[in-house]
Amino acid sequence: DAGVIQSPRHEVTEMGQEVTLRCKPISGHDYLFWYRQTMMRGLELLIYFNNNVPIDDSGMPEDRFSAKMPNASFSTLKIQPSEPRDSAVYFCASRGLVYNEQFFGPGTRLTVL
Amino acid sequence: KQEVTQIPAALSVPEGENLVLNCSFTDSAIYNLQWFRQDPGKGLTSLLLIQSSQREQTSGRLNASLDKSSGRSTLYIAASQPGDSATYLCGAFQGGSEKLVFGKGTKLTVNP
Repeated sequence: DAGVIQSPRHEVTEMGQEVTLRCKPISGHDYLFWYRQTMMRGLELLIYFNNNVPIDDSGMPEDRFSAKMPNASFSTLKIQPSEPRDSAVYFCASRGLVYNEQFFGPGTRLTVL
Repeated sequence: KQEVTQIPAALSVPEGENLVLNCSFTDSAIYNLQWFRQDPGKGLTSLLLIQSSQREQTSGRLNASLDKSSGRSTLYIAASQPGDSATYLCGAFQGGSEKLVFGKGTKLTVNP
């Protein structure tokens, strides 16, 4: 049974460029979460979806960030334009079928130069 | 607003020692709490999920307890091994929401 899949695993880009991170949740999970992890702020929730619908995006830092979930098996997090302070590890997680247990993907390490 | 604190930030122990990691939260209206481990450069691996109606959960050498009245959870690791070296994170669900709020973690080093 495949876990949460994220791509790319590493992304290096220059300031001002558009960045798109991708996530495939565990099949059958109805919640999907996007998190960001930095040394300073730890792990923070950016946005989460239920049945492909965004429920809470209060953690999205700025309008430069946007997320979509066009179907139950795919989600994207886009940053446009990117800035050096966006450098972080971005995790996707999906919720288990029982007891709200969340399962995380391996993360995307983003570096904005 | 839920806030989660983990103390200590780092812990170093000799192999074979039993140890306790602490997690405290401010909003006792949580309904679940989840413990994870994170290896360097990796994602989070779920260890244990404790529902609000439970007081503890066990998996192998791990035992997690939850005391909502005091706003505390502990993760007990028995007979620690070098392979247990990792950062341990606790996440408390914010009441009325699916949001997990995380502590900064405890970095555990088990020395052979």
